[in-house]
Amino acid sequence: AQTVTQSQPEMSVQEAETVTLSCTYDTSESDYYLFWYKQPPSRQMILVIRQEAYKQQNATENRFSVNFQKAAKSFSLKISDSQLGDAAMYFCAYVVGGATNKLIFGTGTLLAVQP
Amino acid sequence: EPEVTQTPSHQVTQMGQEVILRCVPISNHLYFYWYRQILGQKVEFLVSFYNNEISEKSEIFDDQFSVERPDGSNFTLKIRSTKLEDSAMYFCASGGQQNTGELFFGEGSRLTVL
Repeated sequence: AQTVTQSQPEMSVQEAETVTLSCTYDTSESDYYLFWYKQPPSRQMILVIRQEAYKQQNATENRFSVNFQKAAKSFSLKISDSQLGDAAMYFCAYVVGGATNKLIFGTGTLLAVQP
Repeated sequence: EPEVTQTPSHQVTQMGQEVILRCVPISNHLYFYWYRQILGQKVEFLVSFYNNEISEKSEIFDDQFSVERPDGSNFTLKIRSTKLEDSAMYFCASGGQQNTGELFFGEGSRLTVL
């Protein structure tokens, strides 16, 4: 079964500090994509960062980067220089390549940023 | 910036009533989706829609559910006879390309079934 697990229901970080959100997944597929989506309060989910499983290099988007460990099936998100606007629910998600965009989500991590 | 819009933002209904949730996807997108999130649980895939037909649906998407793109701009989710367990946040999403995983989500419609 394809599952995504986020073991941290809530996290807190001081403004300007770095925080890492954990995600593990389980799949037997070789071709897949991993994502982190951000959902601010009362706002829609937006894509933060995307990683193709066939790429060894970790994806980076400005202050957001991932640590993709394919063998361990781990996909953590690092947020550097945290800002108040980073406060949100963060969802890790997975989709099989070659299929429709049937995203499989984790349960989410609620990130609080302390001023 | 184009965005996906959903109406209503919140609907309260009695068990057994029909509900229609509406979505306006991004105009040049071709792939449309409904997801739902029961309070405190995961966001779950319900259905995907492409070329005016369902391309995939989950076990949740039983005969009580239907989707339609009636006029080329709206994308609706209908629940024929709501049950208590249908209470959830329903998210519409659209995508321009298959398999990229970059979906654009609406803010969600909260359905409360009493």
